Amino acid sequence: SQQGEEDPQALSIQEGENATMNCSYKTSINNLQWYRQNSGRGLVHLILIRSNEREKHSGRLRVTLDTSKKSSSLLITASRAADTASYFCATDYYGNNRLAFGKGNQVVVIP
Amino acid sequence: GAGVSQSPSNKVTEKGKDVELRCDPISGHTALYWYRQSLGQGLEFLIYFQGNSAPDKSGLPSDRFSAERTGGSVSTLTIQRTQQEDSAVYLCASSLVSTNEKLFFGSGTQLSVL
Repeated sequence: SQQGEEDPQALSIQEGENATMNCSYKTSINNLQWYRQNSGRGLVHLILIRSNEREKHSGRLRVTLDTSKKSSSLLITASRAADTASYFCATDYYGNNRLAFGKGNQVVVIP
Repeated sequence: GAGVSQSPSNKVTEKGKDVELRCDPISGHTALYWYRQSLGQGLEFLIYFQGNSAPDKSGLPSDRFSAERTGGSVSTLTIQRTQQEDSAVYLCASSLVSTNEKLFFGSGTQLSVL
């Protein structure tokens, strides 16, 4: 099945640095969302960007969407230890009833 | 309740037994989703409900899996004759309307099949 796929890498950074992670997908979408998961349990919605948008901000988060390249990036600025988590992108494909999630990108912020 | 509630939080069962997992969505949310997450993996879509009906059951991995939703609220995911490969975290989510936007997730049920 088609789904968003993050670069499957673990990212380890110092507190205060920026963290960037990427997501690619395979076909036309309605929107793309990013979620955070702590300790392998429930996910928390972070931000949604629609297919006609190119960039969106929410607090320390910045999301970009390039529909020509079928890719998105999530930037966390001035990272904190509390940002340590796994980050998932999820894509909503046209004509589909499901959100397709990628495998996640683990971020560790060292105090 | 304030959020999506799932029970039990942990379930250990023996191979071949049946299990029922419960999800209580946020009040007023019409859409309800079940996902499965194996260790270190992404989320695997299982089923989606709009109200009490399930327009998309195609994610259920086998006929041992079934789900229902009653009163447009509580949902139960049933796994019959559990197998070891069913071990995973089962996550439920709800959203206000069925537009796949901003899902609210429960904390999941960790299922371990011995």
